Formats: sequence, C-alpha cells, structure tokens
Amino acid sequence: RKEVEQDPGPFNVPEGATVAFNCTYSNSASQSFFWYRQDCRKEPKLLMSVYSSGNEDGRFTAQLNRASQYISLLIRDSKLSDSATYLCVVSDGGATNKLIFGTGTLLAVQP
Amino acid sequence: DTGVSQDPRHKITKRGQNVTFRCDPISEHNRLYWYRQTLGQGPEFLTYFQNEAQLEKSRLLSDRFSAERPKGSFSTLEIQRTEQGDSAMYLCASIPPVAGVHEQFFGPGTRLTVL
Repeated sequence: RKEVEQDPGPFNVPEGATVAFNCTYSNSASQSFFWYRQDCRKEPKLLMSVYSSGNEDGRFTAQLNRASQYISLLIRDSKLSDSATYLCVVSDGGATNKLIFGTGTLLAVQP
Repeated sequence: DTGVSQDPRHKITKRGQNVTFRCDPISEHNRLYWYRQTLGQGPEFLTYFQNEAQLEKSRLLSDRFSAERPKGSFSTLEIQRTEQGDSAMYLCASIPPVAGVHEQFFGPGTRLTVL
C-alpha cells in the first residue's frame, strides 16, 4: 500500500465548476500536511498547508481529518489556469520531516 | 532571484558516465533535501542535510549516488556510472531554521536523461 494515495485522474471539468480531490495517508505519525501544485515539467509549488481546523485561501479550501487519515482539497469556480497536477503531501513524522508525496491528481479545466 | 536554484537545468549523458548536480538553497536555509521524480510519480526523498551534516539517506540512494554539503550552503549530488533508470527530475528543497516551519520550497530541478 502506498503511503499517500490519490486518484490520478484526469479530472476534466468546465470552467466555473467546483472540483474536489481526496487523499489518504497511512502514517499516523505524520504531523504536517500540504497540497502542492505542479505544472508540466516544472517543480512542485506549495499551494497551501492543511490544518485540522480547515483552511481557506480564496477559491481553495483544504481539510484534514486525522482520525480517518484523510485530506481534501476543494477548488471553486475553476479557472483555465488551475489546470495542473495537484500533489497531496505529508511529512513522515520523523526527525528530518521529509515529505512523502502522492502520485498527484491531474486537473484539466476546459473552456 | 532569492529562490532555490539548481544547475544544470537539463543534462543528457551516456550510460556509464558520471554526472554532478548543484543546488543553492535560499539564503540562511539550513535544512536541505534532495528528491527524485520519475514520470507519472510524485517526488521521492533521497537525502537530507542539516547544515553540513547528512542526517538521512534513502534506500533509493545506492552506492553510485553521493551527496555533499561541505560548507552548509550549496549542495552537490553526484551519480557515478549512470544507468538508464537514473533518468528523472532531481529536485532540491530547503527550509529555514525556524521551529515549526515545515513547508519546503523547491528549486526548478535538474532533468537528467541517460541514453
């Protein structure tokens, strides 16, 4: 079983749609949780950190459920520029806090 | 540009050759990570430095791989006797010496192609 599991997609949605991505992780010791965005052939860029209380940044909302070891990302009013791969990421819970990445979910927003 | 930088951005080499990549982290970031990303996968951890000390190495880092951070600033990753399976994007990330900060900032990566 992979440490971080995501649906690889692709998710093809029209502009303006709301889309939700889910992710599960296996390491209960993980302490930090993130969503990164990665454009084709580019480096991952931090989209947002994820907290148990939930957090929102404009059109993006992230939620963490520690009991279920489940992370979600909601994108409202999708834009063409949101097309990218979204990586669910958790820290390994060890001293070095290395990151464990999911395989990513590909989002394609259609005009 | 005050972000993480990596050099070269692209490297094409023949199987069996040695290659070396460089990472310059954000100034004053004392924690530095190397990751490798193959097509269709998320990045995978390779190794971690805190200042000049290499504190963790992944089992992915075979004996053909070596990483250094001699002065606690820039880091190098060397691959000896490259194999086609080494073809990947090699990413470097850094974190400042601030308690509780765990967000990693990535450089643009070095894309290696082994022919």
